[in-house]
Amino acid sequence: EVQLVESGGGLVQPGGSLRLSCAASGFTFSNYAMSWVRRAPGKGLEWVSAISAGGAGSQFADSVQGRFTISRDNSKNTLDLQMNSLRVEDTAVYYCARPVVTATLSYAFDIWGQGTMVTVSS
Amino acid sequence: EIVMTQSPATLSVSPGERATLSCRASQSVSSNLAWYQQTPGQAPRLLIYGVSTRATGIPARFSGSGSRTEFTLTISSLQSEDFAVYYCQQYNNWPSFGQGTRLEIK
Repeated sequence: EVQLVESGGGLVQPGGSLRLSCAASGFTFSNYAMSWVRRAPGKGLEWVSAISAGGAGSQFADSVQGRFTISRDNSKNTLDLQMNSLRVEDTAVYYCARPVVTATLSYAFDIWGQGTMVTVSS
Repeated sequence: EIVMTQSPATLSVSPGERATLSCRASQSVSSNLAWYQQTPGQAPRLLIYGVSTRATGIPARFSGSGSRTEFTLTISSLQSEDFAVYYCQQYNNWPSFGQGTRLEIK
C-alpha cells in the first residue's frame, strides 16, 4: 500500500523550532519530488515547500522562506521539514504530499499523509 | 504568485442534483489545474488533474472543464458523501490553491 505518515507535530512557543518527518512506503520514494502542504484552522490549503527527487533542489513559499528548510533521506524513505522562528500564523495541520508524476517539483498531488498538527502559541 | 479564486464560497444543493463549482486564475495556468475534495479530519483527496483527467478511483459523476484562467468542477448527481469542501490548485508555477468552496446539503 502506498502510504505517507507524518510525525513531529506539537505545541511550540513563538520563536521556537520544530522538525516534522514523513515516512514513505509502498512506492519508489527516490523517484518523486515531494512537498509539504498545510491547512491553518478555518482556512484553505497552502503549499509550503517542495524538494526534488534527488534532494538537490528545493523551493519555499514566501511565507516561510528563510525560516523553514526541507530535506530528504532516500536511503530511509523519509522527508523532513525543519521549522525555525515559528510564528502564530504557522499554526496548521501539515501534510506531506506526493505528486502524480515523477521528477517534477510542481504538480497535482495524489498521495497525502494524514497530517500532523503544529500549534504555535504562548 | 498565481492567485486562485473560487466561487461561490458556499453552495447549497440537494442530493441527486447537479453542482457546479468555479475557479479562476489570476493569469493563465494552461491545463495545469487540479481539484481536491476534503472532509473534516481527512487529508485532501485528488479528484481531477490536467483540467479534466479523473484520478484513480474517482467516480464518473465528477468532471472538470475549462482552460487558461477559467475552470469548472461539475458533480452530476450529488451523493451524500460528496458534501465536503472542494479546492482547486494550479501547478503551472509553484502550487497555489483556491480558498475552497463548501458544498452543503440543501
